[in-house]
Amino acid sequence: GDSVTQMEGPVTLSEEAFLTINCTYTATGYPSLFWYVQYPGEGLQLLLKATKADDKGSNKGFEATYRKETTSFHLEKGSVQVSDSAVYFCALSLFSGGYNKLIFGAGTRLAVHP
Amino acid sequence: EAGVVQSPRYKIIEKKQPVAFWCNPISGHNTLYWYRQNLGQGPELLIRYENEEAVDDSQLPKDRFSAERLKGVDSTLKIQPAELGDSAVYLCASSLEQGEGYNEQFFGPGTRLTVL
Repeated sequence: GDSVTQMEGPVTLSEEAFLTINCTYTATGYPSLFWYVQYPGEGLQLLLKATKADDKGSNKGFEATYRKETTSFHLEKGSVQVSDSAVYFCALSLFSGGYNKLIFGAGTRLAVHP
Repeated sequence: EAGVVQSPRYKIIEKKQPVAFWCNPISGHNTLYWYRQNLGQGPELLIRYENEEAVDDSQLPKDRFSAERLKGVDSTLKIQPAELGDSAVYLCASSLEQGEGYNEQFFGPGTRLTVL
């Protein structure tokens, strides 16, 4: 079935380090892909999205490129900050049964230290 | 604009007790979702409402879980009786569905349930 696999955490980095969180997916059809972020004590927020192959989503210095050939959507940021510490979820959306169904990965916790 | 509101934020109960969670979606959003997020996992859909109609409840354990969305606005999710395995974060989300294209789901902060 449709699924999302992302790298296990926690990922621990020093401030200004480069971040990569890997995400791969399995889907029938042509999904849209997303990264959601969950800050401590808050709800999930959409960080970025890409709706078709080769699209690049970007927001707040984060970016991810929809790679159909490798079924991947890796999240990257060139220089992380302490305020980026959160749990990051990769997700896909497929139109099925008359609506867009979101399927999430297990999440990757990021801890950034000063 | 107010986001999705959920209450309570935390709930601790003993097994076999009933519990209810409440959600107020973003004003004007016609679609409401309840998700369950187990520790260390991503959210999984329990039930989806279009207005007041439950259009996908295939993942809702109907022997003990029930939900309603009165007048197509607020929604309540109930568990009766609760089991140890129900300990999780219950998330509510809402969206304005306008066809096949993706419409962003906005999530509330969740209710963390602990069953002892």
